[in-house]
Amino acid sequence: AQTVTQSQPEMSVQEAETVTLSCTYDTSESDYYLFWYKQPPSRQMILVIRQEAYKQQNATENRFSVNFQKAAKSFSLKISDSQLGDAAMYFCAYRVWSGAGSYQLTFGKGTKLSVIP
Amino acid sequence: DSGVTQTPKHLITATGQRVTLRCSPRSGDLSVYWYQQSLDQGLQFLIHYYNGEERAKGNILERFSAQQFPDLHSELNLSSLELGDSALYFCASSVFEGGYTDTQYFGPGTRLTVL
Repeated sequence: AQTVTQSQPEMSVQEAETVTLSCTYDTSESDYYLFWYKQPPSRQMILVIRQEAYKQQNATENRFSVNFQKAAKSFSLKISDSQLGDAAMYFCAYRVWSGAGSYQLTFGKGTKLSVIP
Repeated sequence: DSGVTQTPKHLITATGQRVTLRCSPRSGDLSVYWYQQSLDQGLQFLIHYYNGEERAKGNILERFSAQQFPDLHSELNLSSLELGDSALYFCASSVFEGGYTDTQYFGPGTRLTVL
């Protein structure tokens, strides 16, 4: 079974600084997808960024970027120029097609990010 | 506001009871997903329906069932409730079948408390 590990339950960053959240996963598949979701205090789940495993180029979305290391099975999220609105729980997720149009989806336990003014 | 609605917002019930959670997807979205978020288990994917048909099943207990109706709204039925079923239940929707480019939009969740 696939597992997703976020080793940092909590992290903090000064406003305007950069922070990196870690995520590792375990899989025997070669083609899969990885996601980072943000859950602010409102509890809404918001897609931050996504990456296809076959793409070597790291995905970027404005201030958010990933460092995808396929061989190491690592998928870290870097937030640049941190803002107060970035304070939230961040979840790393893994998805793989499992045949017959179906798939498996697994989330990490999450990292709580605090932004210090 | 994502456009996904869930009712009720809060639900308090007793062990052994049965409850139904309702989700209305965004207008035009054909897929509905259910997730459970608890302190013990974290965030878990339960089930995905596309246009009325089950598409994928995750860690959903046999005591739980779901369906998507012709008008595309979905219901999650939880029966023989246990204390450990207390959690936040999210519904999400997307336009298509849940492919890589198919963004999921999450509802605000239903907070279930089992006493």
